[in-house]
Amino acid sequence: EIVLTQSPGTLSLSPGERATLSCKASQSIRSRDLAWYQQKPGQAPRLLIYAAATRATGIPDRFSGSGSGTDFTLTITRLEPEDFAVYFCQQYGRSPFTFGPGTKVDIK
Amino acid sequence: EVQLVESGGGLVKPGGSLRLSCGASGFTFSNYSMNWVRQAPGKGLEWVSSISSRSSFIHYADSVKGRFALSRDNAKNSVDLQMNNLRAEDTAVYYCARSGSSFPFDYDYYMDVWGKGSTVTVSS
Repeated sequence: EIVLTQSPGTLSLSPGERATLSCKASQSIRSRDLAWYQQKPGQAPRLLIYAAATRATGIPDRFSGSGSGTDFTLTITRLEPEDFAVYFCQQYGRSPFTFGPGTKVDIK
Repeated sequence: EVQLVESGGGLVKPGGSLRLSCGASGFTFSNYSMNWVRQAPGKGLEWVSSISSRSSFIHYADSVKGRFALSRDNAKNSVDLQMNNLRAEDTAVYYCARSGSSFPFDYDYYMDVWGKGSTVTVSS
């Protein structure tokens, strides 16, 4: 099983700041097999990024993904008030298709 | 509008069974793999099971293998998760989600459309 580790657990930032979220895999995965999701309280997750760097339909360009091998990053260039949420990475290259534990981005 | 609606959740005793259903509309259901993801109260996301568009491939998390069975009916635009021998640790909101790639590239199990979720509580 591929274990995903996300850091930090919580990121406290102010609107307008840059957020950098990390997702590390226990073994190498193909870039095309890594996704990022955003989840707000009481809501279903929303797909942000797939194939490590491709934005999903309707996702603003302040969200970007990068990385390869075992290290992947989600960057939010300028935090908007609606971006404060929990972010999960997921690998879907090898079953079981595991999620990371999440990074909470909250308001400083 | 692309939509997924889960049903069938509820309260069940340990050892009991429950069948979750997910109805799809607004897209060609038979072209997409489908997934179930769960979230225990206050916890993160846990992938549960996935099924390819033609039911050729079905994957399960180790935590549910042998107890849960995933199936789909492309004529009815629905996917069902039969859950047997339920345990307290199966208590969660269960989300139905569509995979992002369509047939014949339906092996990419990222999830671009999600339902609102169905709550399953396992308690005596």
